[in-house]
Amino acid sequence: GENVEQHPSTLSVQEGDSAVIKCTYSDSASNYFPWYKQELGKGPQLIIDIRSNVGEKKDQRIAVTLNKTAKHFSLHITETQPEDSAVYFCAARPYGGATNKLIFGTGTLLAVQP
Amino acid sequence: EAGVVQSPRYKIIEKKQPVAFWCNPISGHNTLYWYLQNLGQGPELLIRYENEEAVDDSQLPKDRFSAERLKGVDSTLKIQPAELGDSAVYLCASSLEGSYNEQFFGPGTRLTVL
Repeated sequence: GENVEQHPSTLSVQEGDSAVIKCTYSDSASNYFPWYKQELGKGPQLIIDIRSNVGEKKDQRIAVTLNKTAKHFSLHITETQPEDSAVYFCAARPYGGATNKLIFGTGTLLAVQP
Repeated sequence: EAGVVQSPRYKIIEKKQPVAFWCNPISGHNTLYWYLQNLGQGPELLIRYENEEAVDDSQLPKDRFSAERLKGVDSTLKIQPAELGDSAVYLCASSLEGSYNEQFFGPGTRLTVL
């Protein structure tokens, strides 16, 4: 089955700097890759996603890139702010009919230092 | 619009006791998910419902876990008897039917088994 690896497990940056989180997946047929942000005591919240037919997607300060050949995708946050501090999870959806099953990575704790 | 509601938010029980978690999805969402999130890990799918039908319960430990979604709206996840290793956060999520629809998560129930 699908396996998703996520790095780094922790990331500390200064406010205003950029942050990059990387994930690799094992199932080459996976076709949907969302990123979730989880704040303390809350459930994960979708922040951006990308489908396998797109190489890059951007939404204001966040962007996601996908390299299908290498089977990896990355989250880029520019001009980081203290409120970006949270745990970020990548996920991949294995191909298989109408299923919406997601396989999550292990998470990255991002700390933005003011 | 109200989000996914879960109760209780916290539960402490002794091992071998039963416990139940309740979830009310977003109105109109016919797909409902129960996830297990261990400390420092990403969510892992336990069971997925399409309306009242469990379409993916392959990861649900059926010897002690059970779930139901009567009338295709609210859902209950039960553990009987609970074991020490069941201590975790149990997340409920819902989405519209379809492969690329966003999963909206509730705040979760944090279970501690003593």
